[in-house]
Parts: sequence; C-alpha cells; structure tokens
Amino acid sequence: EAQVTQNPRYLITVTGKKLTVTCSQNMNHEYMSWYRQDPGLGLRQIYYSMNVEVTDKGDVPEGYKVSRKEKRNFPLILESPSPNQTSLYFCASQSAFVKRGYEQYFGPGTRLTVT
Amino acid sequence: AQKVTQAQTEISVVEKEDVTLDCVYETRDTTYYLFWYKQPPSGELVFLIRRNSFDEQNEISGRYSWNFQKSTSSFNFTITASQVVDSAVYFCALSKVAGGTSYGKLTFGQGTILTVHP
Repeated sequence: EAQVTQNPRYLITVTGKKLTVTCSQNMNHEYMSWYRQDPGLGLRQIYYSMNVEVTDKGDVPEGYKVSRKEKRNFPLILESPSPNQTSLYFCASQSAFVKRGYEQYFGPGTRLTVT
Repeated sequence: AQKVTQAQTEISVVEKEDVTLDCVYETRDTTYYLFWYKQPPSGELVFLIRRNSFDEQNEISGRYSWNFQKSTSSFNFTITASQVVDSAVYFCALSKVAGGTSYGKLTFGQGTILTVHP
C-alpha cells in the first residue's frame, strides 16, 4: 500500500529536550515536506526537500532542522523544543514528474506538545 | 510571494443544502497548480482535486464541483446536496511550477470548517 508514515503519532515533551519525528514514504517520490498545522493558520511549510541531500527552507523554518540522507526518509529534528512549537505536524511526499501528478500525499500527523 | 485566502472560517449548513467554499489566490507565476484537500474529524489530509493554470475547465465529480476562474484568481469548491459526512476542514492550496517541476513547495489557505447538520 502506498503510504507516508510518521512516528511517533503523539508526543509530549519538555522544553529543551531534543526530539526527532521520523517520516518515511514508499512511493519513490522525489519531493518531501514538513508542515505544521495551527488553528486559524492552516498548514505552513517548515522545510522541503527536492532530493537526497537537497533541502530548502519553507515559510516557518526557525527552530527546526531536517536531513535527507535517503530518498524514502525525511526526519524532522527539534534540537531545543519550545512551547510555541506545540502543534500538529504533517509529513508529505510528492512526485517530481507532472505525469504522476503534483499533489502531495500526507502522513497521518504527529501531535506534539511541549511543556 | 504566493498567498491563498479562504475568507470563510466556518460554514454551517443543513443536510441537502448546497454549499460553496471560496478560495482566492495570489501569484506572479504564469504556471501553477491549485489543489483542494479535505481533513475529516479523524485528522488525515485527503487529496480531492488538482487543476493547472492552463486548464480553466470546470470539473464535476459526483456531488463535488470546482470552478476555476483565472480572471478573478479564484478556485471555488461547491458541494451539492451536502451530507453529514461532508463535515470536515477544507483546504485550498497553490503550488508554483517552473521548468516543468513544482519543487515541492505548497502554500495553503487557512482552511474552512464545514459543519453539515442532519
């Protein structure tokens, strides 16, 4: 089954404790992205990656890091989480080729609470 | 810079009513894609439709229809004869396309919460 998986699905942590949210896709997609969803703000892109070792900032990159060492994986790293990073996070993947469609496929979401 | 505006924060209708969700976008690009996604109460994001900037044909899929008008930079979504299962948050999104690729950069609107009452 074609899918994007994220782990963990729920996470409660304390300020300053480094954490990683994993993301993996099995569709051989070139592009992957991270978004955060906050009430009234929709989804905002944090980082995106066009291929292995190629990443770029989205609209709200502050406080986040990413890496793309393998095509299928795109982890999101919060080195020193703060309460304003409490949010619902989505990973997504997309084909680079128009014939396969430019829509993004989303993971199930990770609800992060930073206290 | 790209921007997507969904001015309707919340809409409440009674089952079987028709409802239109508005989406207005801003972009300087001549080539772009527009999308609608649905987020039901379970939280996942479900792709509904994509439309490229060169294709202004309206589309109908069952009870769903989409009206794309480049002249007004709008991509509105209509649900005919709404049902309780249509209750969800609906997002409109815009993707730049350059050199035949979209670069994976997607800009979302704020979302419209649709509640359909029985």
